[in-house]
Amino acid sequence: EVQLVESGGVVVPPGGSLRLSCAASGFTFDDYAMHWVRQAPGKGLEWVSLISWEGGSTYYADSVKGRFTIFRDNSKNSLYLQMSSLRAEDTALYYCVKDSGYKPYYYYMDVWGKGTTVTVSS
Amino acid sequence: SSELTQDPAVSVALGQTVRITCQGDSLRSYHASWYQQKPGQAPVLVIYGKNNRPSEIPDRFSGSSSGNTASLTITGAQAEDEADYYCNSRKISIPHYVFGPGTRVTVL
Repeated sequence: EVQLVESGGVVVPPGGSLRLSCAASGFTFDDYAMHWVRQAPGKGLEWVSLISWEGGSTYYADSVKGRFTIFRDNSKNSLYLQMSSLRAEDTALYYCVKDSGYKPYYYYMDVWGKGTTVTVSS
Repeated sequence: SSELTQDPAVSVALGQTVRITCQGDSLRSYHASWYQQKPGQAPVLVIYGKNNRPSEIPDRFSGSSSGNTASLTITGAQAEDEADYYCNSRKISIPHYVFGPGTRVTVL
């Protein structure tokens, strides 16, 4: 069974930093690109970032570019999101999501984790 | 503002058919994917590509597209289909993705 389990969400003050992790299992992790998607309380889904299967290409939404860094460790079947200069508007449930496209392609998002909650508040 | 637009809410009588639409320029180049989200749960993929369903999704869900508009149709809506539905697409020039604002489906 394909499974994605996020962790690392906590309450952090504005301007702070945080690293989210996602442990993947049930599929060959380094065959697929991965995304982070977030959802603010009571709001819709927002795509945050994408990383290629080998980690060499990364993409970011304008709202987080320059503040967030996506990376992966294929030897550990793990995806990460390093978040810095956090703002109140970054408060959200953050989902780790698998892309369906076999390397090197990007296609659609097919498997979602249950998410981890980040709250930016003093 | 979202680069994909959706109606905020629709309602459908039990057993009837409802169509949810998603509009955006990127849909002229890329197929939309559709996600169902029930309260307190993670989104679930229901339609992808031209009109494909994951094996666990009932065949009452179908997709179509024309020009800059993608549609998700539920034929014979059930009470358990009450949820928020989001469309998603790649942007045209770079692998950035965008979600529509979502459509809340109420089954009466």
